[in-house]
Amino acid sequence: GENVEQHPSTLSVQEGDSAVIKCTYSDSASNYFPWYKQELGKRPQLIIDIRSNVGEKKDQRIAVTLNKTAKHFSLHITETQPEDSAVYFCAAPSYNTGNQFYFGTGTSLTVIP
Amino acid sequence: GAGVSQSPSNKVTEKGKDVELRCDPISGHTALYWYRQSLGQGLEFLIYFQGNSAPDKSGLPSDRFSAERTGGSVSTLTIQRTQQEDSAVYLCASSSNRRGIYSEQFFGPGTRLTVL
Repeated sequence: GENVEQHPSTLSVQEGDSAVIKCTYSDSASNYFPWYKQELGKRPQLIIDIRSNVGEKKDQRIAVTLNKTAKHFSLHITETQPEDSAVYFCAAPSYNTGNQFYFGTGTSLTVIP
Repeated sequence: GAGVSQSPSNKVTEKGKDVELRCDPISGHTALYWYRQSLGQGLEFLIYFQGNSAPDKSGLPSDRFSAERTGGSVSTLTIQRTQQEDSAVYLCASSSNRRGIYSEQFFGPGTRLTVL
């Protein structure tokens, strides 16, 4: 089945700096890679996703890059703001075992004002 | 429109009791997932429903766990003979997946289960 690893587990940045979170996956058949943001005590919400037919996708201050050969994808947040502080999860589906979605263990991002 | 709802929001039970957790997905969403999130951990896949197809139960941790989805809408996750290690937040999500084309999962607020 799929194995999704996420790094780092915690990340602190100064307001205005950039933050990068990386995930690797094992199932070469995976073709959809979402990123979810979970604020304290709240439900996860999708912030950006990418499909395997593109290498990069941007949405304002957020971008995701995908390297299918190396089987890794990264979340980039530029000009970080205190409201970006949250736990971020990457995920990937596994086709070999059916319809499971495997989530990374999460990155706790703290943006210091 | 209404999002995904779950009930109860909190459930405290004694070890050995059975519990039922309910999920109301977004109307029209064919796909429904159940996940478990332990404190400070990621989301652990439990089960997946897609339309009228047989569910993917491969993530259920033991035979004490079961789930059903009636009429392609509301889903119930049942945990029998609860154990303390079952304590976690149980999240439900729905999406409009079509023929293997994945779409955004919309999560419910979760049910926090505490087994004493």
